[in-house]
Amino acid sequence: DIQMTQSPSSVSVSVGDRVTITCRASQDVSSWLAWYQQKPGKAPTLLIYGASSLQSGVPSRFRGSGSGTDFTLTISSLQAEDLATYYCQQTNSLPLTFGGGTKVEI
Amino acid sequence: QVQLQESGPGLVKPSQTLSLTCTVSGDSISSNSYYWSWIRQPAGKGLEWIGHIYTRGSASYNPSLQSRVTVSVDTSKNQFYLDLTSVTAADTAMYYCASVPSAVAGKSDTFDIWGQGTMVTVSS
Repeated sequence: DIQMTQSPSSVSVSVGDRVTITCRASQDVSSWLAWYQQKPGKAPTLLIYGASSLQSGVPSRFRGSGSGTDFTLTISSLQAEDLATYYCQQTNSLPLTFGGGTKVEI
Repeated sequence: QVQLQESGPGLVKPSQTLSLTCTVSGDSISSNSYYWSWIRQPAGKGLEWIGHIYTRGSASYNPSLQSRVTVSVDTSKNQFYLDLTSVTAADTAMYYCASVPSAVAGKSDTFDIWGQGTMVTVSS
């Protein structure tokens, strides 16, 4: 199985801050990487697929980058509604695996 | 727009079978646009992929659960199902069903639409 490691596990920020979350895969997944946002008490929603493609309807302040084993999710200017936990997921091979999550606290 | 809704018992006894239903609306479950998946999340923890069901009826499972899990589909009801046998407390989790785009470049094996989830507790 491909192991996905996220850092940090939590981050405390202020509205307007730039936030960077990293995800590392235990082996090369090319650009087969997705990011999800999960707000408290809700199901996850897809933010980014193919490492850098923005899902329809997702604000442009979210940006994904990286390839191979190292990936980054950047929120350029954090809004209050971005309070959530963020997960990366590799889509390179089965079994599909997720990172442990990064909780963004305002 | 596809919508998904999970249903099933919220409490299952240890050693019994957990059975859940996901009802799909807004598109035919037989559509070539999607295949269908189950994911679970223990309280306060991360996400675990359980398995996929493809439109032709074949399935893929997480090896960690493969000996206990079956995902199936009933196209006449526009529903797909999860059966997990011999459950223990470790199977207590929120269970989500989700759609997986099958014909969008780069979106293979991503979960683009999720149900709201159903909480299942394993306890006697």
